[in-house]
Amino acid sequence: GAGVSQSPRYKVAKRGQDVALRCDPISGHVSLFWYQQALGQGPEFLTYFQNEAQLDKSGLPSDRFFAERPEGSVSTLKIQRTQQEDSAVYLCASSSGLAVYNEQFFGPGTRLTVL
Amino acid sequence: AQSVTQLGSHVSVSEGALVLLRCNYSSSVPPYLFWYVQYPNQGLQLLLKYTSAATLVKGINGFEAEFKKSETSFHLTKPSAHMSDAAEYFCAVSPMEYGNKLVFGAGTILRVKS
Repeated sequence: GAGVSQSPRYKVAKRGQDVALRCDPISGHVSLFWYQQALGQGPEFLTYFQNEAQLDKSGLPSDRFFAERPEGSVSTLKIQRTQQEDSAVYLCASSSGLAVYNEQFFGPGTRLTVL
Repeated sequence: AQSVTQLGSHVSVSEGALVLLRCNYSSSVPPYLFWYVQYPNQGLQLLLKYTSAATLVKGINGFEAEFKKSETSFHLTKPSAHMSDAAEYFCAVSPMEYGNKLVFGAGTILRVKS
């Protein structure tokens, strides 16, 4: 079956623009995660959804970052007034269960470049 | 706070040689530990995971890792490297059964020489 898909794959934004990044998880997966991966670093947790409920947003770096999953499937990560430090690959992952040992399946990521 | 340290940002081995990628973690509670692999322009793929069962964990593509609590380590090994193993490898930890977020190390790029 299809894996996790993300769109767009690449996004170039001018500083100050708003961007929206989309994640389509594997069908039926209840858990959805967003991670930020800066160049040369490992992914860093941003936020976690269980169905439509955002249970953990402790990793969002500022109030310019906002994520939603209104119907418990597709999720959107929105970044307002983008800054150069927002340049990174944004990874989405989904999991069929609620426990940490349920495998997280990752999408290919969206590479955001802020000029 | 939980953290992961991967020693060596780049590792180079010859084809057929032993692969050893090092991972040390800090956690105040018994952790869940993972190794992921990332090929260029692809998403992370789970290689193996430790969830407090056997300390020696076998994964895909011939990789295995051993959990050593006394050393707070979870090193990844493969007896014989193949060219297709060239990729970036990430160690990750989660100290909680529920809560779900993973804390990743900085990654190790594995190069395999012919």
